[in-house]
Amino acid sequence: AQRVTQPEKLLSVFKGAPVELKCNYSYSGSPELFWYVQYSRQRLQLLLRHISRESIKGFTADLNKGETSFHLKKPFAQEEDSAMYYCALSGGSARQLTFGSGTQLTVLP
Amino acid sequence: KAGVTQTPRYLIKTRGQQVTLSCSPISGHRSVSWYQQTPGQGLQFLFEYFSETQRNKGNFPGRFSGRQFSNSRSEMNVSTLELGDSALYLCASSSTDYTEAFFGQGTRLTVV
Repeated sequence: AQRVTQPEKLLSVFKGAPVELKCNYSYSGSPELFWYVQYSRQRLQLLLRHISRESIKGFTADLNKGETSFHLKKPFAQEEDSAMYYCALSGGSARQLTFGSGTQLTVLP
Repeated sequence: KAGVTQTPRYLIKTRGQQVTLSCSPISGHRSVSWYQQTPGQGLQFLFEYFSETQRNKGNFPGRFSGRQFSNSRSEMNVSTLELGDSALYLCASSSTDYTEAFFGQGTRLTVV
């Protein structure tokens, strides 16, 4: 069975501080990993996917197959980064996603 | 390009009733997936349709069903509603390369 674990429900950091949102997964195969973000009163949207290896809004995430992790990082948090972040796993496409429980990030001024 | 549209945005139903939710995908997208979001269980996959065929189904009872029309619009139906069906139901559409799921705003269903 596939599973995504986000151990922190809530995370608060000060503006300008580094931030890391943790994600661990369980999957027997080669998964695709995603980070989705939901800003207040907005729809869920893709932040980044591991295959593209892009940096979006200063966020990066590296897939560590040995530790089965896909942590999201940003060196300097901004207040506009405050949102709900979901790590998600797919068995090879974006059609069926298994989501973690989410981490509510608050960036304090 | 218009985003994924879900109607209605809010619904209140009584236990035992049935409900139909609608989803219009992004133009050109043929894959439509449905998710249930609750505070307790988080986001859970319901089912996925492609070209009017259900291709994947999550672990939900048979009371949850769906369909897709030739224009890729999709509906999901929940029969014999239970209090526990109260949730935000999200629809997502994908293009054939499946690189990204685009989500709608959701339909908030409350069962009383």
